Amino acid sequence: EAGVAQSPRYKIIEKRQSVAFWCNPISGHATLYWYQQILGQGPKLLIQFQNNGVVDDSQLPKDRFSAERLKGVDSTLKIQPAKLEDSAVYLCASSFQTLAGAADTQYFGPGTRLTVL
Amino acid sequence: SQKIEQNSEALNIQEGKTATLTCNYTNYSPAYLQWYRQDPGRGPVFLLLIRENEKEKRKERLKVTFDTTLKQSLFHITASQPADSATYLCALPTSGTYKYIFGTGTRLKVLA
Repeated sequence: EAGVAQSPRYKIIEKRQSVAFWCNPISGHATLYWYQQILGQGPKLLIQFQNNGVVDDSQLPKDRFSAERLKGVDSTLKIQPAKLEDSAVYLCASSFQTLAGAADTQYFGPGTRLTVL
Repeated sequence: SQKIEQNSEALNIQEGKTATLTCNYTNYSPAYLQWYRQDPGRGPVFLLLIRENEKEKRKERLKVTFDTTLKQSLFHITASQPADSATYLCALPTSGTYKYIFGTGTRLKVLA
């Protein structure tokens, strides 16, 4: 089966500019996650969708970050305006589980490496 | 608050030896714990899941233990190979929510 697709793979922008990332999860996966991974750290959850509803966005900086998952499939994550500290790898993951809280395997995409200058 | 600790220092071992990585957690009791492998420039890949009622789980050369009293999981790779060199992350579901938190990961380097 095809894996989780993300684009672009790399992005360099100036601070205060905007940027958008796209994710296409594995077909049939109900849950979609966006993580931020800063160099040397583990992934940090930004937002979790189940189908097209938000399950958790408690760590999403909502003044500058936004995300949507239209029709419960693809998702986009946007940053506007970007700050220097947003430089990181943005990982998208999906899982099959439809029951929130149940043990599940997450399948990760390759990530988008964002550099903010 | 809930915390996960993994040894942030890299672990270097000789090929053929057993690598042991540690994941400690505090302030909660997860129902299960997962281990992932991450190679440079790639997303994490799921390896094993162990539940709180399982003491040990194996998959080929991998073995995971889960000690809920010590609040610790150990991840072992036996007969290690240079291809096992990667960063290994543990992940736990947070208490009362549906999200996972990841440790910082431990970088393993297997020397030929």
